[in-house]
Amino acid sequence: AQKITQTQPGMFVQEKEAVTLDCTYDTSDPSYGLFWYKQPSSGEMIFLIYQGSYDQQNATEGRYSLNFQKARKSANLVISASQLGDSAMYFCAMREENTGFQKLVFGTGTRLLVSP
Amino acid sequence: EAQVTQNPRYLITVTGKKLTVTCSQNMNHEYMSWYRQDPGLGLRQIYYSMNVEVTDKGDVPEGYKVSRKEKRNFPLILESPSPNQTSLYFCASSLATQVANPGRVYGYTFGSGTRLTVV
Repeated sequence: AQKITQTQPGMFVQEKEAVTLDCTYDTSDPSYGLFWYKQPSSGEMIFLIYQGSYDQQNATEGRYSLNFQKARKSANLVISASQLGDSAMYFCAMREENTGFQKLVFGTGTRLLVSP
Repeated sequence: EAQVTQNPRYLITVTGKKLTVTCSQNMNHEYMSWYRQDPGLGLRQIYYSMNVEVTDKGDVPEGYKVSRKEKRNFPLILESPSPNQTSLYFCASSLATQVANPGRVYGYTFGSGTRLTVV
């Protein structure tokens, strides 16, 4: 069964520094997608970045990059040059292509606090 | 604008009073789903629908009903709400994988959320 694990309930970082949010996953489907979402205090779910299991290169979107290590089944989110507006809850999620009824499975989230 | 519209944003109700949370998407997505979010548990799937008239249970379906009579709408019904259904609810939609582009896994587009309190 597909599973996502986020072991950091909370993280602190100073403004302008980089931070890595950890995510490990488990699946038996060779084709899957990994996603990161940001949830600010207002509650909406904001898509940040996507990595496909067959993608050869790590995904990047502006200040966000995904450190994808397939053999270790990890998909860590790296935020460079943190900003105060990055303070939010961050969720890692996975969707299998062939199994799992196309469900997006979420981790329990990491709360990031960026200090001035 | 491509979006998933959820209503209401906030709702306070009493135990046992039937309610419906509406969800509509304008992207012609086949797949729609409802999630609830509770502290420390992340988001858990309640029900999903692969297409019109095709629905199935997710991980936490007890106490909920859904219907998919039209492709764009996927309402969540609480026939007799209880305090343990107090939560933040999200509707989401997506293209189906495989059908749209084999090998490409699509993410979800989420609604803005409905914060439900049952007293």
